[in-house]
Amino acid sequence: QKEVEQDPGPLSVPEGAIVSLNCTYSNSAFQYFMWYRQYSRKGPELLMYTYSSGNKEDGRFTAQVDKSSKYISLFIRDSQPSDSATYLCAMSEWIGNTPLVFGKGTRLSVIA
Amino acid sequence: EAGVAQSPRYKIIEKRQSVAFWCNPISGHATLYWYQQILGQGPKLLIQFQNNGVVDDSQLPKDRFSAERLKGVDSTLKIQPAKLEDSAVYLCASSPTPGTRRGNEQFFGPGTRLTVL
Repeated sequence: QKEVEQDPGPLSVPEGAIVSLNCTYSNSAFQYFMWYRQYSRKGPELLMYTYSSGNKEDGRFTAQVDKSSKYISLFIRDSQPSDSATYLCAMSEWIGNTPLVFGKGTRLSVIA
Repeated sequence: EAGVAQSPRYKIIEKRQSVAFWCNPISGHATLYWYQQILGQGPKLLIQFQNNGVVDDSQLPKDRFSAERLKGVDSTLKIQPAKLEDSAVYLCASSPTPGTRRGNEQFFGPGTRLTVL
């Protein structure tokens, strides 16, 4: 079993839809959870990060962490064609300059 | 602020040849990472530097891969000899000193896409 599991998709939704992206993990020591967005032929860029369990909202994006289930989610409201990208979940055991363990990424297409 | 710079952007070589990638992190960032991203996979750490010292190279295939970070700034990653399975995007990332604003964030460069034929 991989440390971080993420459905690679692809996921195709109409513009304006609510998108739900998810990851599960096996290492209970993970405390720091991130979502990165990666456009084609670009490096990943940080979208959201959360520490431990709970919700965090930033504009149209909401990140949720359920440590008891080892499950994290990213919701995108009112999705736009510009949201079309690959979304990577990432996590680490500590806060600070520590390597990240990534999921495979989910490829999302938002159709106008 | 200028982002993480990488070169070349693309490289095609034949197996058993050698290749080198270069990374210039964001100015002042103490920590530098090299990740390997195989098509359809998430990035996987190869090596982490703190200033010019190696923090973690446990996943670096040391029989063929080497990396250095001279003077704690630029870094080079080398593969010698290359194998077909080394075809991937090599991403460089850097992060500020822990405890500073955004000290937990890793900033990624655009990557170098390597094709080994």
